[in-house]
Amino acid sequence: LAKTTQPISMDSYEGQEVNITCSHNNIATNDYITWYQQFPSQGPRFIIQGYKTKVTNEVASLFIPADRKSSTLSLPRVSLSDTAVYYCLVGSAYSGAGSYQLTFGKGTKLSVIP
Amino acid sequence: NAGVTQTPKFQVLKTGQSMTLQCAQDMNHEYMSWYRQDPGMGLRLIHYSVGAGITDQGEVPNGYNVSRSTTEDFPLRLLSAAPSQTSVYFCASSYSNHRSSPLHFGNGTRLTVT
Repeated sequence: LAKTTQPISMDSYEGQEVNITCSHNNIATNDYITWYQQFPSQGPRFIIQGYKTKVTNEVASLFIPADRKSSTLSLPRVSLSDTAVYYCLVGSAYSGAGSYQLTFGKGTKLSVIP
Repeated sequence: NAGVTQTPKFQVLKTGQSMTLQCAQDMNHEYMSWYRQDPGMGLRLIHYSVGAGITDQGEVPNGYNVSRSTTEDFPLRLLSAAPSQTSVYFCASSYSNHRSSPLHFGNGTRLTVT
């Protein structure tokens, strides 16, 4: 299983760009990298997913270097409503020959300051 | 669409009691799973299912049973509750067991065992 390492917490002012980096040194060739957002008293919510290079959607961008041993979630111009815990997830699909395991790390608690 | 629905939202049990946490999804997803979330521990996989009639253990399966008789439902059973099972439980589903299929989470069940 690819283990992930993220900063425990980050603070940012409103309107700034926030970059959260996740390390996953033993990522497997077929693994995707997925980021989730979790607000208090809610389940995690899918934000973005990528395999290599850069992915962008209406919420965030995901940068993945060529060696894929890390990834960076970029949130442009954060607001107070972006205060949440962000999880980086690296996992493999069920192959029929082994188990299906998606391992969540402890996440990064982002606090946006007015 | 309701997505992933978990019931109850809150539950208090006494040590040794049994109960079933319910999870239902209306998205015709093949893959379903249960996680527990404890402070400072992130989310840990308890059990998962890749389709009706198929279940397997995750990272922390002891003390929990599951079954998958239909595509829609994936209940989690605590046979004899222990204080160590005090946690927030999340059910999740995804379209397929393919590694790129993102998870959809319910809003959790907060369980306290006294």
